[in-house]
Amino acid sequence: DSGVTQTPKHLITATGQRVTLRCSPRSGDLSVYWYQQSLDQGLQFLIQYYNGEERAKGNILERFSAQQFPDLHSELNLSSLELGDSALYFCASSFDSFNNEQFFGPGTRLTVL
Amino acid sequence: EDQVTQSPEALRLQEGESSSLNCSYTVSGLRGLFWYRQDPGKGPEFLFTLYSAGEEKEKERLKATLTKKESFLHITAPKPEDSATYLCAVQSGSRLTFGEGTQLTVNP
Repeated sequence: DSGVTQTPKHLITATGQRVTLRCSPRSGDLSVYWYQQSLDQGLQFLIQYYNGEERAKGNILERFSAQQFPDLHSELNLSSLELGDSALYFCASSFDSFNNEQFFGPGTRLTVL
Repeated sequence: EDQVTQSPEALRLQEGESSSLNCSYTVSGLRGLFWYRQDPGKGPEFLFTLYSAGEEKEKERLKATLTKKESFLHITAPKPEDSATYLCAVQSGSRLTFGEGTQLTVNP
């Protein structure tokens, strides 16, 4: 158990819908990272937050957004969902912005029908 | 753009048969190279961080080494429970770029 929690574990929804994925980092970690893992693209970095502020952006679509709250938990919002958004979404956390021993949560499996 | 290439894509070993996994990388300003293990449907599990060429780290049957252009994950006398996908990632700035992974199967 890495200490990173993610909810829900599974999510099934329809095209065009909007969903919110939630992540709680390990106790004491200030940075949260979001990744997407699909069969054909491997693990892709989406976005990083550090202590409530956006720190780095990767291959995140405009339909996706994220935020980190004062209690350091983070949410990833996915809107106007398409079939191709079906994937595993992982959250990871690390102590600071540059210590990249990232610890991953168990993931949320999103299925868009 | 940072790039990470792992080989082979898949590897089958007999229990006790040692081997190595390769991770080749190109990165502008390497801050660290990371190895993770991932079991099906689960999040990656952190194994090692390597920071400079020549550095080596060991954990049980695994040993990771780093040169200026690649890293190796050596598996000595593997057991079936070592079966997993092994991911390599490089750090540039604060972000990680992952390779596609090597899927390792160890048969009893």
